Amino acid sequence: GAVVSQHPSRVICKSGTSVKIECRSLDFQATTMFWYRQFPKKSLMLMATSNEGSKATYEQGVEKDKFLINHASLTLSTLTVTSAHPEDSSFYICSAILRLAGAQETQYFGPGTRLLVL
Amino acid sequence: LAKTTQPISMDSYEGQEVNITCSHNNIATNDYITWYQQFPSQGPRFIIQGYKTKVTNEVASLFIPADRKSSTLSLPRVSLSDTAVYYCLVGTVNTGFQKLVFGTGTRLLVSP
Repeated sequence: GAVVSQHPSRVICKSGTSVKIECRSLDFQATTMFWYRQFPKKSLMLMATSNEGSKATYEQGVEKDKFLINHASLTLSTLTVTSAHPEDSSFYICSAILRLAGAQETQYFGPGTRLLVL
Repeated sequence: LAKTTQPISMDSYEGQEVNITCSHNNIATNDYITWYQQFPSQGPRFIIQGYKTKVTNEVASLFIPADRKSSTLSLPRVSLSDTAVYYCLVGTVNTGFQKLVFGTGTRLLVSP
């Protein structure tokens, strides 16, 4: 299947600092990527849809100024957690859509980034 | 977006076949059904995707009845390494992008 990578895999930061997480589609181009967060033993929660060359679309309750998303190329989307606080500690997962011939789509996920804010 | 309902958990033993059923009564005409597997601290891994009838790949089969209001993921001869959470999702493809909403998933425990 298609490969999606994330970097870093784990990050620890101090409260008040900003953290950038990268999501890359390694062997395909993705005009659309998604960002999710997941708390322990809970399901994934969609945060935002990242569209190449345009502004991201955020889900209700997700602060766009807190979670900055940039999708500058067809293989890279970044999520920046600004002024991070301990409650932002979570597992962040990105995904990218692979479109096959005939327009069937499949969403492939990255390995996730564990963020711990002290 | 169609809502899905799955059993919260299932138990099995090594070598057995496991069938996980998902209900999606409000599935729309353009919706596909996709199953993912997730291990702790990892991103979901694509297992299989289908629209109707039966789909089979090297790891699983997906059975979808004619009314498409449910689907069953079949894992043949499970092993301990199949212990994971399995998510059933439906989402519209071919209309721009497929926005997925995750449900609770099914936590499968495979014992020796």
